[in-house]
Amino acid sequence: GEDVEQSLFLSVREGDSSVINCTYTDSSSTYLYWYKQEPGAGLQLLTYIFSNMDMKQDQRLTVLLNKKDKHLSLRIADTQTGDSAIYFCAESSIMNRDDKIIFGKGTRLHILP
Amino acid sequence: DAGITQSPRHKVTETGTPVTLRCHQTENHRYMYWYRQDPGHGLRLIHYSYGVKDTDKGEVSDGYSVSRSKTEDFLLTLESATSSQTSVYFCAISPGQLNEQFFGPGTRLTVL
Repeated sequence: GEDVEQSLFLSVREGDSSVINCTYTDSSSTYLYWYKQEPGAGLQLLTYIFSNMDMKQDQRLTVLLNKKDKHLSLRIADTQTGDSAIYFCAESSIMNRDDKIIFGKGTRLHILP
Repeated sequence: DAGITQSPRHKVTETGTPVTLRCHQTENHRYMYWYRQDPGHGLRLIHYSYGVKDTDKGEVSDGYSVSRSKTEDFLLTLESATSSQTSVYFCAISPGQLNEQFFGPGTRLTVL
């Protein structure tokens, strides 16, 4: 079945850029998402990209999509302590009539002082 | 923030007892989902609903049942709780457009 893979941990120094990577297997993916989960809370949608786009920028966030390699990345510029969270990559397809989203296991971003 | 609440927020119960978790939404969204989150496993879908009385299984549905008698409420029942069901449970809702899901705050369930 469809799968989404991402590394489990990432440590970045405050002020540097963070790059969180994700790979997926579903070639029919239509939407790709990044969700953020802060401690003790549910997931919140951070940003998303349609599969016909290569890049999307939103303030400090840049999403890059390489559809050929099925690789998605999230870059956070000028990483702050408030960015410390778990980041989930996710994908869905309009081919899925059940509107399910496939989530990765999440990458825990740790900010070093 | 999407209007989605979960109750209870925390529960401790004993093995073999029945447990029901409630998800309530005020957004009139069509889709509702129950996930569990465990270390090393990320989010796993238990059951979901695509309308009143319309539900289907997710990848880890064994030991769980659901009901949706009203648009706004989606109940998750553990008929006979086991220690392996100790987890954090999240409800999510979606209008079905763009498939963006809005998550509730979670319920931490401990089965002793």
